[in-house]
Amino acid sequence: DGGITQSPKYLFRKEGQNVTLSCEQNLNHDAMYWYRQDPGQGLRLIYYSQIVNDFQKGDIAEGYSVSREKKESFPLTVTSAQKNPTAFYLCASMGTGELFFGEGSRLTVL
Amino acid sequence: AQSVSQHNHHVILSEAASLELGCNYSYGGTVNLFWYVQYPGQHLQLLLKYFSGDPLVKGIKGFEAEFIKSKFSFNLRKPSVQWSDTAEYFCAVNDNNDMRFGAGTRLTVKP
Repeated sequence: DGGITQSPKYLFRKEGQNVTLSCEQNLNHDAMYWYRQDPGQGLRLIYYSQIVNDFQKGDIAEGYSVSREKKESFPLTVTSAQKNPTAFYLCASMGTGELFFGEGSRLTVL
Repeated sequence: AQSVSQHNHHVILSEAASLELGCNYSYGGTVNLFWYVQYPGQHLQLLLKYFSGDPLVKGIKGFEAEFIKSKFSFNLRKPSVQWSDTAEYFCAVNDNNDMRFGAGTRLTVKP
């Protein structure tokens, strides 16, 4: 089936550790996105990538890093520099002008 | 980059009341506009979208939205809400593949 696969679904991390969230798509979409969803703040854009080997910062890129080495993959690393990393993270790709979302990854920092 | 403003943080209505949720984006140009809904405990679902043409767009579940270019607005409406419309509603703007969301409006419909 075509879609967006995010893993892991739940992740726990100790403070000071980096963690990488995986996002893979088989929709052949060029553009991919990472959002963070917190209660009362909607979806805030972290990074997006329109083509391989290129990406742009969103509103809250500090403390995060991404790579886009393959069209299908857009992993997000939450670094120890991110002050408040506990959140729900959504990956998406864009086709025909609209977003297709993954199921999300919930990160909890202990 | 665009910013998206949703005027109401929390709206409380009784069943059968009419609904209008405001959404404004920050500047003009060719944009695509969206409303998403998130029911409690569920994922985002697309309600409706505007790409071009008739500025009054109809979506699922009886919702509609009007694009007013001169006001940079895309307000969501429903003539008569139901208890099942209780959810959070998000407006979004796509400007050249840069897709931004508003902070959301929580709608509570009292039976």
